[in-house]
Amino acid sequence: DVKVTQSSRYLVKRTGEKVFLECVQDMDHENMFWYRQDPGLGLRLIYFSYDVKMKEKGDIPEGYSVSREKKERFSLILESASTNQTSMYLCASSLVGRGYTFGSGTRLTVV
Amino acid sequence: ELKVEQNPLFLSMQEEKNYTIYCNYSTTSDRLYWYRQDPGKSLESLFVLLSNGAVKQEGRLMASLDTKARLSTLHITAAVHDLSATYFCAAPPGGSQGNLIFGKGTKLSVKP
Repeated sequence: DVKVTQSSRYLVKRTGEKVFLECVQDMDHENMFWYRQDPGLGLRLIYFSYDVKMKEKGDIPEGYSVSREKKERFSLILESASTNQTSMYLCASSLVGRGYTFGSGTRLTVV
Repeated sequence: ELKVEQNPLFLSMQEEKNYTIYCNYSTTSDRLYWYRQDPGKSLESLFVLLSNGAVKQEGRLMASLDTKARLSTLHITAAVHDLSATYFCAAPPGGSQGNLIFGKGTKLSVKP
């Protein structure tokens, strides 16, 4: 069964900390994505990557960066966490032109 | 810029009733996806609609796509409590590498 694994289900971090959210897929998918989900705002694309070392900004990249050094791993980095980054973070992967497989999500709270 | 709009955003249904969720998208797109999300969980894929007139059915859910009208529908037949969830539609913007634009979701609550 195909899998997208996010390293943490729940995280609590302090304001100003550097935060790493990890996502690993075992399906040899080219594309990987990071979204955040907030009540009333739906899913908003932060960054995506269509190949190793490639990245594209989504709709809300400010305050975030990403890293894709290997095909199977896509990391989201919050350079200096702020309370407005408290959210559910969803990672997904796909083949080109196909639908997504989502990870189980990471609920991040910044205090 | 592609926009995807769902309606209604909230839907409270009685068991055994039928209803339809609508998904409109603003620019040409060659495929449409439906996802389901249970509370506190991630999204799981329901349907992929790849061409005009496509219809997919699973259990009490049936999805269809009209690319000319830029409209997809998710029809629920004889609702049961287990269908309570949030349903999202999503479409790829033209020329995209593979990213999807999601609607805001329809929160469905099926009551006895």
